[in-house]
Amino acid sequence: NAGVTQTPKFRILKIGQSMTLQCTQDMNHNYMYWYRQDPGMGLKLIYYSVGAGITDKGEVPNGYNVSRSTTEDFPLRLELAAPSQTSVYFCASSYSRDSDSYNSPLHFGNGTRLTVT
Amino acid sequence: AQSVTQPDIHITVSEGASLELRCNYSYGATPYLFWYVQSPGQGLQLLLKYFSGDTLVQGIKGFEAEFKRSQSSFNLRKPSVHWSDAAEYFCAVDNFNKFYFGSGTKLNVKP
Repeated sequence: NAGVTQTPKFRILKIGQSMTLQCTQDMNHNYMYWYRQDPGMGLKLIYYSVGAGITDKGEVPNGYNVSRSTTEDFPLRLELAAPSQTSVYFCASSYSRDSDSYNSPLHFGNGTRLTVT
Repeated sequence: AQSVTQPDIHITVSEGASLELRCNYSYGATPYLFWYVQSPGQGLQLLLKYFSGDTLVQGIKGFEAEFKRSQSSFNLRKPSVHWSDAAEYFCAVDNFNKFYFGSGTKLNVKP
């Protein structure tokens, strides 16, 4: 099992450029998440999805967009990159039987390190 | 506001010494609680979880954590630290299917 796979591992963007961070999971998890990690700040939730076709904002969604057309894939889009988006981005997934039940713990990808200059 | 607090940013312990990492949360109900560990350049790995029952939970790598409702705490402990435990540790809460993380505690282990 590959688990959660993120690509690319590293990327440097110029201010104003756009890019898509890819995330795919092969565990048939219904929940998927995008986090950013900044030094001393822990992980902040950007967006999450409870299933194909359903997404919702997390704590820090500004400057990002997501889509969830399949169970497996949850790409994160940066439209106009800014230096404040320099960070390490983690995709994660989990499973829940329904919205009222307990989720399995998060399974994480290895991250994408993004630098915007 | 919902929050997860890890008051210690850095901790240094000697190899073989005991360890306790602190975590406090502020939520209305009893949330589901987790500890994750992150080695440099890696994603996060689950150490242990609590969602009901016995308030002392055992995890991987010899770690344990105790849930104390009265103190809103979920502290991580290990009786004897190994050099390979040097990493960053995150406490997390699952609150209605959203996972919130503390800011992390970096553990250094002295030989």
